[in-house]
Amino acid sequence: KNQVEQSPQSLIILEGKNCTLQCNYTVSPFSNLRWYKQDTGRGPVSLTIMTFSENTKSNGRYTATLDADTKQSSLHITASQLSDSASYICVVSEGGGFKTIFGAGTRLFVKA
Amino acid sequence: ETGVTQSPTHLIKTRGQQVTLRCSSQSGHNTVSWYQQALGQGPQFIFQYYREEENGRGNFPPRFSGLQFPNYSSELNVNALELDDSALYLCASRLSVSGGEPKNIQYFGAGTRLSVL
Repeated sequence: KNQVEQSPQSLIILEGKNCTLQCNYTVSPFSNLRWYKQDTGRGPVSLTIMTFSENTKSNGRYTATLDADTKQSSLHITASQLSDSASYICVVSEGGGFKTIFGAGTRLFVKA
Repeated sequence: ETGVTQSPTHLIKTRGQQVTLRCSSQSGHNTVSWYQQALGQGPQFIFQYYREEENGRGNFPPRFSGLQFPNYSSELNVNALELDDSALYLCASRLSVSGGEPKNIQYFGAGTRLSVL
């Protein structure tokens, strides 16, 4: 069964600190992996998208990594800000079709 | 702003009723996908429309149906509402060459919060 699992479920960090969120998947065949940020009450916003051949992608203070061999991805947030408080969702797309599997997300709280 | 707008923002219905949710895609986007997001969960894929035809569906019963119009706006219809249908319903649009897997960015609307009592 194709699955996407994220950890931790929630995380509290102090403003200015770094953090890393994890995503493990079993989706096969693999097409691409995306990280989204979802603020409370809003739709998800795309942060990064990586295909099989890409192992790192940056978007400002967000850096995503992908290890297609171990089927793991991480999202690293540098110098966190209060506005980073949100859910971060890992999404994996199945190759050859249109099926996308969403993880349950990691809820990040950044405190002053 | 993503350019994807959904209406209404909130809706309250009773069990057994029918509901229609609407989505206006970002200009030029020919593919729209609908998702159901329960509280504390990730979105679940309902179906996708490409050039006015459904070309993909998740594990949702037939009482979940949709339409995509020539201007690429879209509707999600749910019949015979059940309590478990209470969720945030998200619409996402993108430009696709063939309607296949989303290799390019999807833009999400803010969602419609449906409560079934």
